[in-house]
Amino acid sequence: GDSVTQMEGPVTLSEEAFLTINCTYTATGYPSLFWYVQYPGEGLQLLLKATKADDKGSNKGFEATYRKETTSFHLEKGSVQVSDSAVYFCALSLTGANSKLTFGKGITLSVRP
Amino acid sequence: DAGITQSPRHKVTETGTPVTLRCHQTENHRYMYWYRQDPGHGLRLIHYSYGVKDTDKGEVSDGYSVSRSKTEDFLLTLESATSSQTSVYFCAISESVWDRGVFFGPGTRLTVL
Repeated sequence: GDSVTQMEGPVTLSEEAFLTINCTYTATGYPSLFWYVQYPGEGLQLLLKATKADDKGSNKGFEATYRKETTSFHLEKGSVQVSDSAVYFCALSLTGANSKLTFGKGITLSVRP
Repeated sequence: DAGITQSPRHKVTETGTPVTLRCHQTENHRYMYWYRQDPGHGLRLIHYSYGVKDTDKGEVSDGYSVSRSKTEDFLLTLESATSSQTSVYFCAISESVWDRGVFFGPGTRLTVL
């Protein structure tokens, strides 16, 4: 079935470090890909998305490129801040009616000053 | 932010009692979802709805039922709560998942003793 695999966590970085969070997927069709973020004590928010191969989603300094050849959608940020400390989820959705989001297990990022 | 509310926000109950969680939206979105979030599992889909009185099972539907009699309300019922159903429950809505993703409510923390 369709699935999303995220790298194991947690991840701890110093402020201003470069961030990469890996995400790969398996899908029977041609999915759209998403990153969601969950700040402590809150619900999930859509961070960015890409709906076709080679699309780059970006928001709040984060970027991710839809790579069909490697079935990946890695999240990157050039310089993390303490306020980026959160749980990050990769997700996919197939096109078509009655579609739904399938999530990875999430990874916790802690950024220290 | 999308207009989604969940009630109650916190609940403690005992094993064997029935529990109903409510999700209410003001966005008139067609699709509504119930997810549960547990450490090490990420978010898992319980049930979803693609219209009034149209619902379907997700990957962890055992022990749960849902109803949607109005566009704006989606109810999740635990017929006889068990300790394994202790979790944080998130409702989500969408008009078009594959290109817009879903929007989450604030969550309900349920503890079954």
